[in-house]
Amino acid sequence: GQQLNQSPQSMFIQEGEDVSMNCTSSSIFNTWLWYKQEPGEGPVLLIALYKAGELTSNGRLTAQFGITRKDSFLNISASIPSDVGIYFCAGPGGTSYGKLTFGQGTILTVHP
Amino acid sequence: KAGVTQTPRYLIKTRGQQVTLSCSPISGHRSVSWYQQTPGQGLQFLFEYFSETQRNKGNFPGRFSGRQFSNSRSEMNVSTLELGDSALYLCASSRSPGTGVYEQYFGPGTRLTVT
Repeated sequence: GQQLNQSPQSMFIQEGEDVSMNCTSSSIFNTWLWYKQEPGEGPVLLIALYKAGELTSNGRLTAQFGITRKDSFLNISASIPSDVGIYFCAGPGGTSYGKLTFGQGTILTVHP
Repeated sequence: KAGVTQTPRYLIKTRGQQVTLSCSPISGHRSVSWYQQTPGQGLQFLFEYFSETQRNKGNFPGRFSGRQFSNSRSEMNVSTLELGDSALYLCASSRSPGTGVYEQYFGPGTRLTVT
């Protein structure tokens, strides 16, 4: 089945630094979604990408839909302590209704 | 607009028992998907309901079942609980499946512990 590989698995950074993470797939995706999950909560949708090459921002977050359709990138600028959490990429599972395939997540820790 | 709500938030059950979890989607959303999240397996798709019909099912045993009501609220049931069923169960709703919009909005989850 479809698999999404996220890297890095974890990041430890200082407040104020920029962060980059990516997600790759062996198959083509027509949509890329980025979520953030904090402890004890469900994932929160950050950014949705629908077009190859698309670059979309949400505040300090910027995500890109790779032109090969097999990858996506998320950048966080000037990180702050509340950016701590697990970031997941996700995409629709083929033509299956209602199914999202998730990456294994990138754990972000921000030191004040 | 209220988000996705799930009840209960926490549950402790004994092996062999059964459990029912509830999910109310965002108003106007008709599709509800369920996921199981564990440290080892990550987020795994259980099933999806739309207009009271299960349209898609993940690779889980028949002990996992669900249903959807006419108001789009959904429940999932796990029978004969096993220790390995301990997980965070997440419900997600989406607006109009089949229109090329795949955004799903998650509830806070139900943390199930099986002892």
